[in-house]
Amino acid sequence: AQTVTQSQPEMSVQEAETVTLSCTYDTSESDYYLFWYKQPPSRQMILVIRQEAYKQQNATENRFSVNFQKAAKSFSLKISDSQLGDAAMYFCAYRLGITGANSKLTFGKGITLSVRP
Amino acid sequence: EAQVTQNPRYLITVTGKKLTVTCSQNMNHEYMSWYRQDPGLGLRQIYYSMNVEVTDKGDVPEGYKVSRKEKRNFPLILESPSPNQTSLYFCASRPRDRSTYEQYFGPGTRLTVT
Repeated sequence: AQTVTQSQPEMSVQEAETVTLSCTYDTSESDYYLFWYKQPPSRQMILVIRQEAYKQQNATENRFSVNFQKAAKSFSLKISDSQLGDAAMYFCAYRLGITGANSKLTFGKGITLSVRP
Repeated sequence: EAQVTQNPRYLITVTGKKLTVTCSQNMNHEYMSWYRQDPGLGLRQIYYSMNVEVTDKGDVPEGYKVSRKEKRNFPLILESPSPNQTSLYFCASRPRDRSTYEQYFGPGTRLTVT
């Protein structure tokens, strides 16, 4: 079974600084996707960034980028120029890339990020 | 606007009183799913549906039922709720096509069972 591990329950960053959130996963599959979701106090699940396992290039979305190390099964999220609105819980998630099968997302436990003004 | 809606958003109930949480999507998605979120556990899948009349268990199905009579609706039924079902519940949907990466989440339903 696939597992996703986020070992840091909480992190804090100074506004305008850079922070990296860690995630590791375990799978024997070769075709899969990885995601980072943001959950602000409103509880809405917001997709931050996604990475296809077959792509070697790391995904980037504005201030958010990932460091995808496939061999090490590591998928960290870097937030640059942190803003107060980045304060939230962040979940790392994994999904198999099989068409027609259960598109279940397997989530890590989440990490609470606080941003200091 | 493309969206997944859930009702109610908040619910406090008592042990044993049957309840239904509704989920509806307006994107003609084949795949729908229910998750529960608990502190320190992340989100875990309860049930999923690949299409109308096709449902199956996820990782934590005990105490829950679902149905999929229409493509847009996927209600979650708790026939005899217990306090350990106090949780935050999310419905999600996506097209079956693998080229679409994203699952669309509803706003969540906070359920408290006393």
